[in-house]
Amino acid sequence: EVQLVESGGGLVQPGGSLRLSCAASGFTFSGYWMHWVRQAPGKGLVWVSRIHSDGRSTSYADSVKGRFTISRDIAKDTLYLQMNSLRAEDTAVYYCARAAGFGDYDYWGQGTLVTVSS
Amino acid sequence: QSALTQPRSVSGSPGQSVTISCTGTSSDVGGYNYVSWYQQHPGKAPKLMIYDVSKRPSGVPDRFSGSKSGNTASLTISGLQAEDEADYYCCSYAGNYIYVFGTGTKVTVL
Repeated sequence: EVQLVESGGGLVQPGGSLRLSCAASGFTFSGYWMHWVRQAPGKGLVWVSRIHSDGRSTSYADSVKGRFTISRDIAKDTLYLQMNSLRAEDTAVYYCARAAGFGDYDYWGQGTLVTVSS
Repeated sequence: QSALTQPRSVSGSPGQSVTISCTGTSSDVGGYNYVSWYQQHPGKAPKLMIYDVSKRPSGVPDRFSGSKSGNTASLTISGLQAEDEADYYCCSYAGNYIYVFGTGTKVTVL
C-alpha cells in the first residue's frame, strides 16, 4: 500500500526556518517525481515545488523561490522541504504528493500544518 | 503564475449533471494536455479524479469526465450523488516544470 506521511510542521516565528519531511512507503520512491502543495486555512490548493526522480532537477513557485529548498533522500525514501525566511503568508497545511505522470498527483499525504506567527 | 479561474460554487439536485469550468491561458491550460482535477472533502487530502484532460484513474466512477477547449478545461459530474458534495480543483502544467492550481469550486448537492 502506497503511503506518504508528512512531519515537521509546527509554530514558527516570522523569519524562522522549518524542515518538513515526507516518508514514503509501498512503492519505488526513486522512480517518481515528487511535489509539495500547500493550502492556507480556508483557502485553495497552491503548488509549491517539484523534484525529479533523480533529485537533480527542481522547480519552485515564485512565491517561495530562493527561500524554500526541496530535496530527497533515496536511501531513506524521504522527501524534504527546507523552509527559510518564513512569512505569515506561508501559514498552511503542506501536502507531499506523488506524481504518477506529468503533474497528476495520484497519492497524497495527510498534510502537516505550518503556522508562522509571533 | 496566476491561479486558474473556477466558479466559486455550483449546485445540482441528485441525478442531475453539473459542469465546472477552469479557465487559464495559452501558457498553461491551452498550451498542454496536462490538466488534472481533484476532489477534496473537508479535512481530507485531495483525491485525483481526472488526469491528462480526460483520463480517469481506476476506481473513479465514470460519472466523472473531463474535456478541454482552447484555454478552458471542464469537469462534468453526471448523475450527481450526495457523496459528490466537495471542493474541486483543477491543475495545469504551465511550462518550465511549473504547475498551477485553480481557485476551487464548491459543489453542493441540493
